[in-house]
Amino acid sequence: QFVLTQPPSVSAAPGQKVTISCSESNSNIGNNYISWYQHLPGTAPKLLIYDNNKRPSGIPDRFSGSKSGTSATLGITGLQTGDEADYYCGTWDRSLSAAVFGGGTKLTVL
Amino acid sequence: EVQLLESGGGLVQPGGSLRLSCAASGFTFSSYAMNWVRQAPGKGLEWVSSISDNGDNTYYADSVKGRFTISRDNSRNTLYLQMDTVRAEDTAEYYCAKELKIFGVPRDFDYWGQGTLVTVSS
Repeated sequence: QFVLTQPPSVSAAPGQKVTISCSESNSNIGNNYISWYQHLPGTAPKLLIYDNNKRPSGIPDRFSGSKSGTSATLGITGLQTGDEADYYCGTWDRSLSAAVFGGGTKLTVL
Repeated sequence: EVQLLESGGGLVQPGGSLRLSCAASGFTFSSYAMNWVRQAPGKGLEWVSSISDNGDNTYYADSVKGRFTISRDNSRNTLYLQMDTVRAEDTAEYYCAKELKIFGVPRDFDYWGQGTLVTVSS
């Protein structure tokens, strides 16, 4: 089974930087592109990063994505209280013809 | 402005059926793959199903395969999810989401609706 694993929670102070990891259960992540989403309860999820490291229009450059081997990372700099949300990585697995989301990471800005 | 408006959610008994709709506007609907994603209470996002821009290709999560059917009417700019033989574990907020890239595979979901709640309970 294809699984994306994220830490359940991360925290940092306002103005600081935080990273959220997303690791894959097998080597597929090396071939699949990763996207990242921000989800505040009661609102629609928002696409932050696609194709591992690209930002859609309107997403500030405080958000960045990277991938190395079987692990992808979302970075957020200049943390703001408004960044408190759940963050999900996701991908489309071509061999399974299925989309997969990570379990989500709750970001707390202390 | 891209808008996605889900409807059709509600209370349904186990074993029953429900059809969700997603009315799209603000973009050329027929050029983009579309998707359904759900979130059960207290849980994370779970991909449910995707459909290609012309409707020729459909994809399903194992958890709904054989019970749910995704379809689209490009003349009405509407996406559907027919939910049959529903189970308690299908209780969730259901979101429709648009694919980012024109004529792309369903991979990056750039616009999402506000969701419609489905509750499966007797």
